[in-house]
Amino acid sequence: SQKIEQNSEALNIQEGKTATLTCNYTNYSPAYLQWYRQDPGRGPVFLLLIRENEKEKRKERLKVTFDTTLKQSLFHITASQPADSATYLCAPSYGQNFVFGPGTRLSVLP
Amino acid sequence: GAVVSQHPSRVICKSGTSVKIECRSLDFQATTMFWYRQFPKKSLMLMATSNEGSKATYEQGVEKDKFLINHASLTLSTLTVTSAHPEDSSFYICSARDDGDTQYFGPGTRLTVL
Repeated sequence: SQKIEQNSEALNIQEGKTATLTCNYTNYSPAYLQWYRQDPGRGPVFLLLIRENEKEKRKERLKVTFDTTLKQSLFHITASQPADSATYLCAPSYGQNFVFGPGTRLSVLP
Repeated sequence: GAVVSQHPSRVICKSGTSVKIECRSLDFQATTMFWYRQFPKKSLMLMATSNEGSKATYEQGVEKDKFLINHASLTLSTLTVTSAHPEDSSFYICSARDDGDTQYFGPGTRLTVL
């Protein structure tokens, strides 16, 4: 069955640095992959979608890469701010739906 | 952007009662809606997928007689937790999808069964 892993349960970085989160998947090949942000007690908020034929996608301070050979997606937040502190979920597609990774809880320290 | 609402945001009920949660897409028509459950510090687990006007498709291990889903219109889906028990206490989140690939999530409903 498909398996989704995110590099670490929690990640602490200093304000102004670039945060890099990793998502690895095994046993299948998703057609696209999405990244979501979730704050405590709230539903996930869509950030970016990247398709299998795209290497990189950018949106303001966010950048996502998709390496179908390594079966990995990287999510970068440049010039990080304390307001970026949240849990980030990767979600590779699976059929008409997608499967959520366990999430990485990012803390940006002032 | 696409907005999905859920009601209520929080509900506390006694064991054995039924609870209905509503999910609405406010500014788009949702051909497909999804219901998820999330335990503390865990990721979202898909419970069921519903298409407007047809029966929901439940994930393995989800009791369809306990978690009743109705998707009567393109903007409304409801989840009814029947005969709720304390182990049903959780954070329930719905999402809606239009004709594209992106799912838009509601804010979630915190259910506590006493």
